[in-house]
Amino acid sequence: AQKITQTQPGMFVQEKEAVTLDCTYDTSDQSYGLFWYKQPSSGEMIFLIYQGSYDEQNATEGRYSLNFQKARKSANLVISASQLGDSAMYFCANPPNFGNEKLTFGTGTRLTIIP
Amino acid sequence: EAGVAQSPRYKIIEKRQSVAFWCNPISGHATLYWYQQILGQGPKLLIQFQNNGVVDDSQLPKDRFSAERLKGVDSTLKIQPAKLEDSAVYLCASTTYQETQYFGPGTRLLVL
Repeated sequence: AQKITQTQPGMFVQEKEAVTLDCTYDTSDQSYGLFWYKQPSSGEMIFLIYQGSYDEQNATEGRYSLNFQKARKSANLVISASQLGDSAMYFCANPPNFGNEKLTFGTGTRLTIIP
Repeated sequence: EAGVAQSPRYKIIEKRQSVAFWCNPISGHATLYWYQQILGQGPKLLIQFQNNGVVDDSQLPKDRFSAERLKGVDSTLKIQPAKLEDSAVYLCASTTYQETQYFGPGTRLLVL
């Protein structure tokens, strides 16, 4: 069974600072993907970034990057130069096998950016 | 490109009443999911469709929940009768093969 662990229930970060949100996963699959989603108070899940297990480089998308450490089974999200609009819940998710399969989500981290 | 549409956005009902949610996926996405997100938790899959067929409904409480996707496009999720513990956000997502799942805005259900 897939398991995603996010150990930080909440974080407070000063605006413009970088922040790292932790995610560890448990899978025996050789090929898999890790997703990060942002959920603002409006409720919609917004896709941020994806890392494939065979990708040689860490994924980056604008201010978002993944610190992917395959041996440690961690895929931490790094947000650079945080903004007030980054305040939201952040979820790490992993499908059983890469493809159009269900996502298993962690419990999320509530990030609050302080002006 | 239009995103995943859901309606209604909010619904308040009393326990033992019925409720239905609607989802229209992104055009061309064959796979559609319904997730339930209880406050303070991550979303949990209720049912997955591939076109108009059910792929996974192992976590759907079938005694009260039902879902359909008759023409392989829109989908409806129904709860009958609702219980207090059904209060949650119901998220619809869609994808095409080996692509990212995109979510709709969700329906917030409150059962009193």
